[in-house]
Amino acid sequence: TQLLEQSPQFLSIQEGENLTVYCNSSSVFSSLQWYRQEPGEGPVLLVTVVTGGEVKKLKRLTFQFGDARKDSSLHITAAQPGDTGLYLCAGSSGNTPLVFGKGTRLSVIA
Amino acid sequence: GAVVSQHPSRVICKSGTSVKIECRSLDFQATTMFWYRQFPKQSLMLMATSNEGSKATYEQGVEKDKFLINHASLTLSTLTVTSAHPEDSSFYICRGSLRGGYGYTFGSGTRLTVV
Repeated sequence: TQLLEQSPQFLSIQEGENLTVYCNSSSVFSSLQWYRQEPGEGPVLLVTVVTGGEVKKLKRLTFQFGDARKDSSLHITAAQPGDTGLYLCAGSSGNTPLVFGKGTRLSVIA
Repeated sequence: GAVVSQHPSRVICKSGTSVKIECRSLDFQATTMFWYRQFPKQSLMLMATSNEGSKATYEQGVEKDKFLINHASLTLSTLTVTSAHPEDSSFYICRGSLRGGYGYTFGSGTRLTVV
């Protein structure tokens, strides 16, 4: 069974601080996605990474896929209250259903 | 972009009744629809996978007779929670996918409360 471990589980920081969320597995994934979910809503796709070592930037968010395609990280620079939410990583491999991590609940305090 | 419309967003029902949740892909053909359940402060748990025109595949521990899934067309999939009980109260989310692609789009979710 493929598992994705996310850390930290909870994170509370002050506005303007930087943070990194990690997503690790012992399995290789052909692609990995990051989502953000707000209370009462469905997850919204932020990015998909498919190549080992790939780095993608989305404004203040930087996503990295590990060289071995077993892990990924999400780095947020100068966090803002609007970044508050549940961040989920999800991995895909072949025809298997998408595997979700347990999520990181981020709270950015103004 | 691809949009999946999910209704209702919230529903409260009495114990023992059935509730139907609809997911429609608005501007693409969702050949596959995934149904998830999410309990408070937890991640998404896959319940079942349905492909248009065929029977759904349920994950271990999910009762197929209790959670009826219909995917009769490429744009509509439904989940019916039959004989609902308070323990079925949860957030249910669908996700439409294009076969062979990375086109994953989530619905906005349905908050089910069984009283």
